[in-house]
Amino acid sequence: NAGVMQNPRHLVRRRGQEARLRCSPMKGHSHVYWYRQLPEEGLKFMVYLQKENIIDESGMPKERFSAEFPKEGPSILRIQQVVRGDSAAYFCASSLLAGVYNEQFFGPGTRLTVL
Amino acid sequence: RKEVEQDPGPFNVPEGATVAFNCTYSNSASQSFFWYRQDCRKEPKLLMSVYSSGNEDGRFTAQLNRASQYISLLIRDSKLSDSATYLCVVNNYGGSQGNLIFGKGTKLSVKP
Repeated sequence: NAGVMQNPRHLVRRRGQEARLRCSPMKGHSHVYWYRQLPEEGLKFMVYLQKENIIDESGMPKERFSAEFPKEGPSILRIQQVVRGDSAAYFCASSLLAGVYNEQFFGPGTRLTVL
Repeated sequence: RKEVEQDPGPFNVPEGATVAFNCTYSNSASQSFFWYRQDCRKEPKLLMSVYSSGNEDGRFTAQLNRASQYISLLIRDSKLSDSATYLCVVNNYGGSQGNLIFGKGTKLSVKP
């Protein structure tokens, strides 16, 4: 039973380019979460999605960032016109259940470097 | 006050030692609590959920004190492989409840 898959594992972009990060949840999980971890910082929640729906995007920057989880295929976190401050590790997690007691399992992350 | 606060460490202990980590959280309405471990440049891995009555999993014991808004993790008989950063995690009550709030972590280094 494969865990949460993320690709690419490492992504290098120049300022102003677009970054697309992909996440495939664990088999049977329909709840997906994206978190960002800046160097020497804790993980910060960005967005929570179910299939075709954004449930909570309270942690997402208002501009340049978007996320989707289509009916078919992986969840995508998209960052337009990247800036140096976007350099971070982006982790995706999935859970079987929703609500307060859900246990979230994390993928290996995508390390984004903006030059 | 930070939402989830942990002693950053590092804790440097010899193999076989018992070590305890503490964590406090600010939102008294939080309902679920977890300990994750994170190895350097890796993803967080769920270590254990923390239940009101306290729970134990092998060498690991977690305790919750709702009145004091305090969570602890005890590791007995430390192994070299326990070296990692331990993350205290609390659910974000009041939001979608789908998102978790992470502490910055406590770094543990177990030496031979």
